[in-house]
Amino acid sequence: QKEVEQDPGPLSVPEGAIVSLNCTYSNSAFQYFMWYRQYSRKGPELLMYTYSSGNKEDGRFTAQVDKSSKYISLFIRDSQPSDSATYLCAITAYGQNFVFGPGTRLSVLP
Amino acid sequence: DTEVTQTPKHLVMGMTNKKSLKCEQHMGHRAMYWYKQKAKKPPELMFVYSYEKLSINESVPSRFSPECPNSSLLNLHLHALQPEDSALYLCASSHPQRGGNSGANVLTFGAGSRLTVL
Repeated sequence: QKEVEQDPGPLSVPEGAIVSLNCTYSNSAFQYFMWYRQYSRKGPELLMYTYSSGNKEDGRFTAQVDKSSKYISLFIRDSQPSDSATYLCAITAYGQNFVFGPGTRLSVLP
Repeated sequence: DTEVTQTPKHLVMGMTNKKSLKCEQHMGHRAMYWYKQKAKKPPELMFVYSYEKLSINESVPSRFSPECPNSSLLNLHLHALQPEDSALYLCASSHPQRGGNSGANVLTFGAGSRLTVL
């Protein structure tokens, strides 16, 4: 079993849709959870960061962590064509060893 | 300043060339990383420097040689590369080993250096 699993997509949604992106992980020691957005041929950009279980909201983005299920989610409300990118989850227990999911390619169609 | 700056943005080199990739950050981060990313794949860890000392080397071939001259700079020296080494090389930094909800233990990436080996 891989340490972090993520549906690679591609995922296509119409503009204005709610998007749900998910990762599952196997190591219960993980406690820092990140979502990165990466546009084609660019470096990953940090979108959301959460520590331990719970929800965190930032504008149209909500990150959710359920440590009991080892499951993390990123919700995008009112999706825009500019949200079209690859979304990577990244997880670490205590820094330095960051484990990435394979990424989900999202297309938001106008 | 919340940026990681990488130069050059693009590099084309032959298999006999020697070149270097450079990375700079002024966020006071004491851990710096080199990642390699192939198309449609996640970043793959190559090296980690913590407090200017090499702490992780993920069995990277010796044709890649990292260097950390000071706490703000990270170099990756390239020599005798192969065409399969063509990729996006990403530098990142973080605060190492801070606990709680301090906002640490988050990777900040640069824009990357796109390398093509002919």
